[in-house]
Amino acid sequence: EVQLMESGGGLIQPGGSLRLSCAASEFAVSSNYMSWVRQAPGRGLEWVSVIFGDVSTYYADSVKGRFTISRDNSKNTLYLQMNSLRVEDTAVYYCAREVGRYSPFDYWGQGTLVTVSS
Amino acid sequence: EIVMTQSPATLSVSPGERATLSCRASQSVSSNLAWYQQKPGQAPRLLIYDASTRATGVPARFSGSGSGTEFTLTISSLQSEDFAVYYCQQYNNWPLTFGGGTKVEIK
Repeated sequence: EVQLMESGGGLIQPGGSLRLSCAASEFAVSSNYMSWVRQAPGRGLEWVSVIFGDVSTYYADSVKGRFTISRDNSKNTLYLQMNSLRVEDTAVYYCAREVGRYSPFDYWGQGTLVTVSS
Repeated sequence: EIVMTQSPATLSVSPGERATLSCRASQSVSSNLAWYQQKPGQAPRLLIYDASTRATGVPARFSGSGSGTEFTLTISSLQSEDFAVYYCQQYNNWPLTFGGGTKVEIK
């Protein structure tokens, strides 16, 4: 069964850094488009970043220059390095899979909560 | 960026009734449109993709239609488990964007 399991969330002060992980099972992250999607408390869904192919990446303007998406094919794990965190980055962060360029998110993790607060 | 607008924000429906949710894109997304259902404390669940194709395991009471800029999700006869928030999402252009959601609540 395809599964995605996020970890690494927590409470962090503004300006701090955090790395999220997303362990995948029953499929290869390297063969799919893998994204991070976040949801602020009581708010809607916001796409954050995608990685696909060799090392192609795209970012939402709101995180560009601060967040970095990557993957470790040997561990079948997706990462999101978050630097210079802001209060407005507080959200549940989900990893999600797309099977190709023009595809929906067919599998999602359970999410990990990141709280940025002093 | 393509802006996705959902209406209404909240829909009050009695069990067994029909619910019609709308989603409008600020420019054409062809048929690259998905609908998700989200219940409190859970991750979103894919319901419809390519505007009108039901995902695996999704009941036939859920149907999607539309193309270009106007899309509709219809739930033909609401069951208790269908009360949730529904989001549309376009995957035609980056950045991928979601609508603000429609909450379907019990009337």
